[in-house]
Order: sequence, then C-alpha cells, then structure tokens
Amino acid sequence: SQTIHQWPATLVQPVGSPLSLECTVEGTSNPNLYWYRQAAGRGLQLLFYSVGIGQISSEVPQNLSASRPQDRQFILSSKKLLLSDSGFYLCAWGLLRGQETQYFGPGTRLLVL
Amino acid sequence: DAKTTQPNSMESNEEEPVHLPCNHSTISGTDYIHWYRQLPSQGPEYVIHGLTSNVNNRMASLAIAEDRKSSTLILHRATLRDAAVYYCILQIQGAQKLVFGQGTRLTINP
Repeated sequence: SQTIHQWPATLVQPVGSPLSLECTVEGTSNPNLYWYRQAAGRGLQLLFYSVGIGQISSEVPQNLSASRPQDRQFILSSKKLLLSDSGFYLCAWGLLRGQETQYFGPGTRLLVL
Repeated sequence: DAKTTQPNSMESNEEEPVHLPCNHSTISGTDYIHWYRQLPSQGPEYVIHGLTSNVNNRMASLAIAEDRKSSTLILHRATLRDAAVYYCILQIQGAQKLVFGQGTRLTINP
C-alpha cells in the first residue's frame, strides 16, 4: 500500500532563516506531487505541483521554491522566511487516470517568529 | 476554475444521517465532483467522487442532481469521528489541480 511521509511535524523558525521541508511517497511510481499551504482558519492553497523528476509548476509567486530530485521525493524550500510563511504545509500525491484522487500527508506546522 | 458553494457550518446528532449540500451551477460536462474532509490538525482525506451517477462507498454516498448543478454528500449514520470540514471540489478531467474552498464545518452532537 502507498504511504506518504512528511517531516518535521512541527517547526519554529526565526524570520530570515532558511527552510527545508521534505515529503516522500512509498509504494507507487511516478506520482504527481503537490505542496499546499493552509493559513490559520483558512482553506488550502496550492503552492507547487510536479508531474515528474525536475518538473515543477508554481501556482503562487512567493519566496518559496520546490524541487523534485527523485521520483518520490518532493522538497519545499525558502532562503529567507517571512512572518507570512507561517502555516500548515501539506504534501499530497496522486495518479492521474482521467481524474485524480489526491492523498495527503500528515503535514508540517510552521511558525515563523 | 469552476466554483462551488457550501454552507459555512452544519450541525447534526450522532447516529443520525447527515446531508451536506453543494451548489456548482457553472459545472461543465467534464468536471468531476470530489469530496474531501479534513479532521482537526490533519491533512484532507478523500471521501468520494462522481461524474453523473450517484456513487456509494464505505464512507459515504454522493447524490448528484440530474442537471449536475448541485450534489449532496450523505453520511448515513454520523459518528463523533465524522466531525470535520467537508470540501466539495470540481476537478476538470485531465487536470491535476484541486481548488479548495472554505468548506462546511460539520459538528456532531453526542
């Protein structure tokens, strides 16, 4: 069966510090991968998605970036965090077969102080 | 992206059926109707999806109006663990993106 892992689970970082969040998927090949962010009390916002290694599509221009160095690994990064980067970051995977069901990881709660 | 409209909140009692409505009057012929739910402090969880016909699975049923401009997620016998935010989402066939709205916050009373 497929599983998705995210770490760390929680993170407190000072403004201006770098960020690296990692997501890995097991039990499937060539999945579509996604990064979402959920601000407190808000809905989910799609940040990036990837349909293959090295292929990244950005949905929202910001100081975040994403990379997919391996088929089942997706990384979200920032060189300098802003206060507004605080939120709940969720990674998801899906397999497009006409339409796609997405499966979400446990999330990383990031607080920028 | 086609939009959906859901009530902000609903309340029901344990062991009773729950009908969660969703309006999507601008739906196109190739849009799938997806439902996800998000329990507190967790990532969203897939519930069910459909295109034209009503659908049933172990979690819920999805009733789709004949003109497809609305749908209803049915939880047949709610439990306290069903308390969550429920999202109704339209997904264009062949598209990767899911666009989440504000959803309906469902409260289940014991």
